[in-house]
Amino acid sequence: DTGVSQNPRHKITKRGQNVTFRCDPISEHNRLYWYRQTLGQGPEFLTYFQNEAQLEKSRLLSDRFSAERPKGSFSTLEIQRTEQGDSAMYLCASSADGSYQPQHFGDGTRLSIL
Amino acid sequence: AQSVTQPDIHITVSEGASLELRCNYSYGATPYLFWYVQSPGQGLQLLLKYFSGDTLVQGIKGFEAEFKRSQSSFNLRKPSVHWSDAAEYFCAVVHGGATNKLIFGTGTLLAVQP
Repeated sequence: DTGVSQNPRHKITKRGQNVTFRCDPISEHNRLYWYRQTLGQGPEFLTYFQNEAQLEKSRLLSDRFSAERPKGSFSTLEIQRTEQGDSAMYLCASSADGSYQPQHFGDGTRLSIL
Repeated sequence: AQSVTQPDIHITVSEGASLELRCNYSYGATPYLFWYVQSPGQGLQLLLKYFSGDTLVQGIKGFEAEFKRSQSSFNLRKPSVHWSDAAEYFCAVVHGGATNKLIFGTGTLLAVQP
């Protein structure tokens, strides 16, 4: 169990640029989640994958956001035309199949918009 | 809708003192509850979980939590706090449905003084 890996750990970019984050879940986990955490808040759900299928998206996920999980392995989260309000920690989590399996989190990607 | 409330934003305890962090949930059916800990700049680490059965659950690092349905609470406790316990603590409930997404509280920041 190598844990959930996220890259990069930090991303600084100018407003209006596009950014992409990667998440490598625990290898045997079919479920993958993205959350966003702003300063002083708990994580908020963004989207969920079961294998390669994206089964739920939060209304927080505007049309500037897109997530993929090709082949049901790693996942990417892309933000287009970044805005100041996108500055946050983006967390990825994975879990095994089955009811209420605990989610295991990566260390996150900290995004800062200049 | 499910929700989690952590009434204490910030708590300071002395090293060696006991600790109790409060968590109240709102959920119509039997809740599935978690406590996570987050060190600065890091992801979330699972401390313990409650699904059913014994209402007193043991976790890692000497933590325990007690589920009280009558009070809609799931408070986290530790008999003797260590300096390394300083971190932010999040209570979470599983949102009903197929995704098992988590609904988090706003967190409690724990400071430990010598």
